[in-house]
Amino acid sequence: IAGITQAPTSQILAAGRRMTLRCTQDMRHNAMYWYRQDLGLGLRLIHYSNTAGTTGKGEVPDGYSVSRANTDDFPLTLASAVPSQTSVYFCASSDETGGTDTQYFGPGTRLTVL
Amino acid sequence: AQSVTQLDSQVPVFEEAPVELRCNYSSSVSVYLFWYVQYPNQGLQLLLKYLSGSTLVKGINGFEAEFNKSQTSFHLRKPSVHISDTAEYFCAVSRPRSASKIIFGSGTRLSIRP
Repeated sequence: IAGITQAPTSQILAAGRRMTLRCTQDMRHNAMYWYRQDLGLGLRLIHYSNTAGTTGKGEVPDGYSVSRANTDDFPLTLASAVPSQTSVYFCASSDETGGTDTQYFGPGTRLTVL
Repeated sequence: AQSVTQLDSQVPVFEEAPVELRCNYSSSVSVYLFWYVQYPNQGLQLLLKYLSGSTLVKGINGFEAEFNKSQTSFHLRKPSVHISDTAEYFCAVSRPRSASKIIFGSGTRLSIRP
């Protein structure tokens, strides 16, 4: 069982380019999340999805979009990357939306926007 | 709204010494509390969580935390640390039935000296 996989592992991107970060889980969890991690700021929620077909905005959604066409996949798209989006991005999933269950994290994608 | 504060950004300790990582939260409603650990170049994984019941919670790798409602704290402790405990530790808070609203602290980097 792989858990959560993310791709790519790292990427250097020119400003203005479009980029999609991929996230796939094999645990059949209903809820999925995207976070960004920046030094001194911890993790901040970008977008989430409580179930396939629905998405919601987190704390820092501007410049990002997500889709949830099925249970397993939750891609994050940067339509036009800017240097402030340089960060480490983590995808996570959980089995319920009640706030009681564990969030399982992927290994992360390190993105540099120049 | 909830918030969580980790009072120390870095904590250096000697191997086999005890350690306490501090976490304070604020919320106008009851909350769930979590500690996650992030080893170098990895995603986060759950150490322990408090949902209700006994205020002393035991987690993996010999860690424990105590929920103190009057002091709004959830400090993490270990009586004797090992080199392998070197990692970043994140305290998090969520509102019941709202997993999308998990708020992470800024993290505490634990460094173990031999």
